[in-house]
Amino acid sequence: GAVVSQHPSRVICKSGTSVKIECRSLDFQATTMFWYRQFPKQSLMLMATSNEGSKATYEQGVEKDKFLINHASLTLSTLTVTSAHPEDSSFYICSATDRGWETQYFGPGTRLLVL
Amino acid sequence: GNSVTQMEGPVTLSEEAFLTINCTYTATGYPSLFWYVQYPGEGLQLLLKATKADDKGSNKGFEATYRKETTSFHLEKGSVQVSDSAVYFCALSANSGGSNYKLTFGKGTLLTVNP
Repeated sequence: GAVVSQHPSRVICKSGTSVKIECRSLDFQATTMFWYRQFPKQSLMLMATSNEGSKATYEQGVEKDKFLINHASLTLSTLTVTSAHPEDSSFYICSATDRGWETQYFGPGTRLLVL
Repeated sequence: GNSVTQMEGPVTLSEEAFLTINCTYTATGYPSLFWYVQYPGEGLQLLLKATKADDKGSNKGFEATYRKETTSFHLEKGSVQVSDSAVYFCALSANSGGSNYKLTFGKGTLLTVNP
């Protein structure tokens, strides 16, 4: 149980294009999903928290218009990197919890490379 | 604010050696504590957790005890295997308001086990 998937697992795009990453909870209803960014050999940096049906809460320093988050259903949240630039290249990981409980279950991550 | 400090790696061991990865934390209130493991190119997997003082989390031969008096949650394994090679993250969970819990991560410790 508690499986979270992400799609795509890897994406390469040109600078200036937008990229959408999906995060799905496969066997539970995720009232809360989190989006993280991880740079090589570093820890995870929380970008935003999203509750189903509400606007996402962004961490300080994360651009809301750059990283659009939608949590339209209890099993799906999407992160759209708008007008991507090479500095947005990173490993993006989502996690999900049920009813705001403490244990977060993580997706396998999406590696984004912007050329 | 909350913080997690874990021993910096990399840690290199021979198979069947004893493993300890130190983790200490600073938090207000009574956080829950977690160890997550990340294999190369993958997302994070929950390894074990403890939700209150003196609790011991255990899984796959790994264990860690929630020590409130020393604010520690050290990870141990009696006999490591090559397949344990990964990055290990210590984390704490604290209520961020409402029903959401945010994870605060340590920087991660890379473990390499040689045959």
